[in-house]
Amino acid sequence: AQKITQTQPGMFVQEKEAVTLDCTYDTSDQSYGLFWYKQPSSGEMIFLIYQGSYDEQNATEGRYSLNFQKARKSANLVISASQLGDSAMYFCAMREDLSGGYNKLIFGAGTRLAVHP
Amino acid sequence: DAGVTQSPTHLIKTRGQQVTLRCSPKSGHDTVSWYQQALGQGPQFIFQYYEEEERQRGNFPDRFSGHQFPNYSSELNVNALLLGDSALYLCASSGGDREVDEQYFGPGTRLTVT
Repeated sequence: AQKITQTQPGMFVQEKEAVTLDCTYDTSDQSYGLFWYKQPSSGEMIFLIYQGSYDEQNATEGRYSLNFQKARKSANLVISASQLGDSAMYFCAMREDLSGGYNKLIFGAGTRLAVHP
Repeated sequence: DAGVTQSPTHLIKTRGQQVTLRCSPKSGHDTVSWYQQALGQGPQFIFQYYEEEERQRGNFPDRFSGHQFPNYSSELNVNALLLGDSALYLCASSGGDREVDEQYFGPGTRLTVT
């Protein structure tokens, strides 16, 4: 069965520093997608970055980059130059491709990031 | 361009009652998925609707049912509510870039069962 593991329940970082949030995954599929979402206290899941299993380059979106190590089955999120507004829950998710061309997301337990001034 | 909208934002129900949650997908999207997020956990997939039919279902009992309308909006119904149904219910829409198939989430409905 597919599974996402986030081993850091909470992380602290000083404003303007970089932080890495860990994510490992387990799948026997050759084709899959990995996502990172941010969930502020309001509850909405905000899409941050996507990495396809066949993408050779690590994905980047502004201050967010995804350190994709396929052999290790890890997809860590790197946030550069942290801002106070980055304080939130962060979820790693994997797209599980289902029969008929449909899919669902499998989420990890999340990491709560606190950015200190 | 409106994103995914959900209503209501908060809801309080009593055990045994029934509840209906609503979702309007992002413009241009035709697929709606529902997730349940219990406190302190990641979201869990409930089911997915496409072309007005339930296409996939997660590990949830038949008390959870849904519907998709011709305009792609969707409803989630939960019957015979249990205390354990208290959670944030998230709706996600997709159908834009089929290669990435990113799911856009709404703000959620927070359901409290007393």
